[in-house]
Amino acid sequence: AQSVTQLDSQVPVFEEAPVELRCNYSSSVSVYLFWYVQYPNQGLQLLLKYLSGSTLVESINGFEAEFNKSQTSFHLRKPSVHISDTAEYFCALAQGGSEKLVFGKGTKLTVNP
Amino acid sequence: NAGVTQTPKFRVLKTGQSMTLLCAQDMNHEYMYWYRQDPGMGLRLIHYSVGEGTTAKGEVPDGYNVSRLKKQNFLLGLESAAPSQTSVYFCASSYSGQVGGTQYFGPGTRLLVL
Repeated sequence: AQSVTQLDSQVPVFEEAPVELRCNYSSSVSVYLFWYVQYPNQGLQLLLKYLSGSTLVESINGFEAEFNKSQTSFHLRKPSVHISDTAEYFCALAQGGSEKLVFGKGTKLTVNP
Repeated sequence: NAGVTQTPKFRVLKTGQSMTLLCAQDMNHEYMYWYRQDPGMGLRLIHYSVGEGTTAKGEVPDGYNVSRLKKQNFLLGLESAAPSQTSVYFCASSYSGQVGGTQYFGPGTRLLVL
């Protein structure tokens, strides 16, 4: 069975510092990987996704994630965070051909001034 | 274009009461999903639908029923609410046939069962 592990439940950082949110997955078949973000009191929205091709994927607001098949990881990074990045971030996978997502337990990112 | 909407936003129930949560989407998506979100648990899939008139069980279906009579609506029912069903419920939809398609989420329904 497939699973997603987010290694940190909470990550506090100062504004303009770099951040990495870690995600590891387990699956016996090919996967698609996603990062979703949930701002306070809102639903989830897609941040970025890896389907195939280049292993480095980027979002429009400066986040990037790298698919590493050998380490079964899909860590999310941003070189300089803003207060507005405070949110909960969820890593998710879909096995090839499946519409169903399996979510990690989430990482709460708090950006302090 | 409202996207995915959920009704109600918040509800308090007593143990044993029943209720229906409504999800509506205006994106003509085939696939719809119901999740529950609990602290430290992430999102868990309750039921999903791959088209009008179809439903299937997800990871945590017990105590819930669903119906998809119209393509744009997906209803989640609790026949006899229990305190363990206190949670935030999210509906999502996606376009079928798209490899690795994005799921679009509603704003959520907070349910408290006393």
